[in-house]
Amino acid sequence: DVKVTQSSRYLVKRTGEKVFLECVQDMDHENMFWYRQDPGLGLRLIYFSYDVKMKEKGDIPEGYSVSREKKERFSLILESASTNQTSMYLCASSRLLVAETQYFGPGTRLLVL
Amino acid sequence: AQKVTQAQTEISVVEKEDVTLDCVYETRDTTYYLFWYKQPPSGELVFLIRRNSFDEQNEISGRYSWNFQKSTSSFNFTITASQVVDSAVYFCALGTGGFKTIFGAGTRLFVKA
Repeated sequence: DVKVTQSSRYLVKRTGEKVFLECVQDMDHENMFWYRQDPGLGLRLIYFSYDVKMKEKGDIPEGYSVSREKKERFSLILESASTNQTSMYLCASSRLLVAETQYFGPGTRLLVL
Repeated sequence: AQKVTQAQTEISVVEKEDVTLDCVYETRDTTYYLFWYKQPPSGELVFLIRRNSFDEQNEISGRYSWNFQKSTSSFNFTITASQVVDSAVYFCALGTGGFKTIFGAGTRLFVKA
């Protein structure tokens, strides 16, 4: 069974704080993804990575950065959190093949005050 | 442009009713993949099905069935004899020539006892 874990289920931060969201997968998948989920908008891709130290911008990368130092770990960083980054953040992983099935973590619900 | 439209925002049914969730997609690619994921209240998206564009056969898995029609660019999902445990948000998604997957906005299904 593929397992994707995220460091926190719920997080409350203040405006301007630097926020780290961690994601770990245990299936040796090459691809990892960060999405944010907002009501009525579905899942929007923030960043993805297809290899260690490689990253690609998704559809809404502004205000975010990522880090992939090890194959199993993909971190999302909010350099200076803002209230409009209050959202549900979902991490996913997949094999390195076109349009592969993605396996998701449980999500982190972030509230920025 | 590539797009997935789930026109039904919310559906409410009574247990044992059949329910169909609609999904319409847009792509100019001839090779693509379609997915359905379920997101229960726990938050984690769970993979249900992946179909490629060359396989238009309908699929049945227990109470779940999927109807893929290229002529109308639709990939609809039917739950037969719905149960309370089917209550969730369901996402339809499109994958084409890359690692990215485009998700619809989701349909929230309420099944009342």
